[in-house]
Amino acid sequence: DIVMTQSPDSLAVSLGERATINCKSSQSVLDSFNNKNHLAWYQQKPGQPPKALIYWASTRESGVPDRFSGSGSGTDFTLTISSLQADDVALYYCHQYSGPPFTFGQGTKLEIK
Amino acid sequence: QVQLQQSGPGLVKSSQTLSLTCAISGDSVSGNSVAWIWIRQSPSRGLEWLARTYYRSKWYFDYAVSVKSRITINPDTSKNHFSLQLNSVTPEDTAVYYCARQRDHFDYWGQGTLVTVSS
Repeated sequence: DIVMTQSPDSLAVSLGERATINCKSSQSVLDSFNNKNHLAWYQQKPGQPPKALIYWASTRESGVPDRFSGSGSGTDFTLTISSLQADDVALYYCHQYSGPPFTFGQGTKLEIK
Repeated sequence: QVQLQQSGPGLVKSSQTLSLTCAISGDSVSGNSVAWIWIRQSPSRGLEWLARTYYRSKWYFDYAVSVKSRITINPDTSKNHFSLQLNSVTPEDTAVYYCARQRDHFDYWGQGTLVTVSS
């Protein structure tokens, strides 16, 4: 199975500042057939299901604010929130869909400093 | 707009069968570019993918190794829904269970069902 490891486990950032979450996969999730990374990012708030933010490592879901961006390739990926808003307080997960099996990172808790 | 509505009991006794249903609106369970997923989430195991089904001229099924001997995902084209059955449950199966649609990543999710397994 591909193991997804996120860092840090928790992060406190001031409003308006940049937040960066990292994700490392134990194997490459780059599909040589279509040259796409099978990597997504989700945001989860208490009592809600995860909400997809980014897929193919860097494509924003429709309706997701452009302060959210994804980057990386192969085994190393980053989710960046360019200017943190109060509404961004949540858990964030990376997810590889190269599988099955499909696996998730352990989550990063993002708070306001 | 795709919507997934989960239903099923929130309390199951040890050794019995956990059964959940996910009703689909805005898409088809037999759609040829999507798949249908069950996932669970618990503090000890995090987000854990359990099962997948999809239709490409015939039905395909994939299961997580950890539950493969106990789990069934079943599509129902007449009702446009899919179900999860997990047999011989133990308290370790206590979790929030989600259904989801897969179009590459998991783009739509059900609301989640907290299932508690009582000993």
